[in-house]
Amino acid sequence: KNQVEQSPQSLIILEGKNCTLQCNYTVSPFSNLRWYKQDTGRGPVSLTIMTFSENTKSNRRYTATLDADTKQSSLHITASQLSDSASYICVVSDRGSTLGRLYFGRGTQLTVWP
Amino acid sequence: EADIYQTPRYLVIGTGKKITLECSQTMGHDKMYWYQQDPGMELHLIHYSYGVNSTEKGDLSSESTVSRIRTEHFPLTLESARPSHTSQYLCASSESGLPSYNEQFFGPGTRLTVL
Repeated sequence: KNQVEQSPQSLIILEGKNCTLQCNYTVSPFSNLRWYKQDTGRGPVSLTIMTFSENTKSNRRYTATLDADTKQSSLHITASQLSDSASYICVVSDRGSTLGRLYFGRGTQLTVWP
Repeated sequence: EADIYQTPRYLVIGTGKKITLECSQTMGHDKMYWYQQDPGMELHLIHYSYGVNSTEKGDLSSESTVSRIRTEHFPLTLESARPSHTSQYLCASSESGLPSYNEQFFGPGTRLTVL
């Protein structure tokens, strides 16, 4: 069964600190993995996309890693800001369907305190 | 920011009412999707469309229906709303071509509460 598991479920950090979010998946055949940021009451917005051959990608203060062998990904946030408070969702796409089906994790709810 | 819009953003209605959630995109995308999301839970695909006059049911069974008469418009209708329909509904769209690489752009969502 194709699944995406994220940890931790929630996280509270102080402004300026770093944090790392984890994602494990069982989706096969694997196509790509995205990290989305979803602010409260809004739709998800893509932060990064990683394919099988990529093992790290950065977007401003966000750095994603991918280990396709162990089927694990992480999202590292550097020097957190209050605006980083949101749910971060790991989304894995398979390449076995014409739709390009997405498998969503439940997200990590990040709260940044001043 | 993606050019995909949903109205209304919030809706509180009584049981038995008929409602239509609107979704429009100005990106010319062929593929459109409807997801349902409960608090703290993953998004579940309830409907999708490959293009005009194409509609398919998703993974999660839903009593809602959709239509795709125009490329830019993908409304979702509930004929008789029930409290079990209370949820957030997210609309998304993506380009055609190699499907697994195409980013889905999401609208802001409609928070539906059925009393």
